[in-house]
Amino acid sequence: AQSVAQPEDQVNVAEGNPLTVKCTYSVSGNPYLFWYVQYPNRGLQFLLKYITGDNLVKGSYGFEAEFNKSQTSFHLKKPSALVSDSALYFCAVREDPGGSYIPTFGRGTSLIVHP
Amino acid sequence: EAQVTQNPRYLITVTGKKLTVTCSQNMNHEYMSWYRQDPGLGLRQIYYSMNVEVTDKGDVPEGYKVSRKEKRNFPLILESPSPNQTSLYFCASSLRGTGSYEQYFGPGTRLTVT
Repeated sequence: AQSVAQPEDQVNVAEGNPLTVKCTYSVSGNPYLFWYVQYPNRGLQFLLKYITGDNLVKGSYGFEAEFNKSQTSFHLKKPSALVSDSALYFCAVREDPGGSYIPTFGRGTSLIVHP
Repeated sequence: EAQVTQNPRYLITVTGKKLTVTCSQNMNHEYMSWYRQDPGLGLRQIYYSMNVEVTDKGDVPEGYKVSRKEKRNFPLILESPSPNQTSLYFCASSLRGTGSYEQYFGPGTRLTVT
């Protein structure tokens, strides 16, 4: 069975500082990992994904994520936060091989970037 | 423009009155799905479809029906809505249903059942 956890309901960071939004996962096989962002009154937008290969994945809007197999983590990062990055962030996992057709989403982390 | 559309965006209804939320995508995606989003619970999948005429239950299918008669459309049907179905609903699609394909989400439908 697959599962994903986002241990922080909310992350606060000052504009210009680096940000990290945490995600840990559990799968029996290999994971496909995703980050999505939800701005107020909008649907989720895909940010980036890890399939295989380089552990550092780069995505949209300057975000990146680091896959750590030993710690079963896939934390989202950005070197310098913007106020416009304030949104709800979701981590999701799918299992490979023979993975579920149903991706599992975390509960979401609210990122607040203060001016 | 590649997109997933949902209608209506907002709906207030009464218990027991059948309703349908439409979903359409213009990307020729095989896989479509419905989620509900509730505070503290994240996104939970209701139903999904791997292709035309192929649908299956997600994690929380009770009280919902779906159909996939055309590739682009995947309506969500609540035959007898109840207040516990008050939620924010999202339709999503992806090229394939397996593996590494990311999903594209619609703008959401906020449903209130009184």
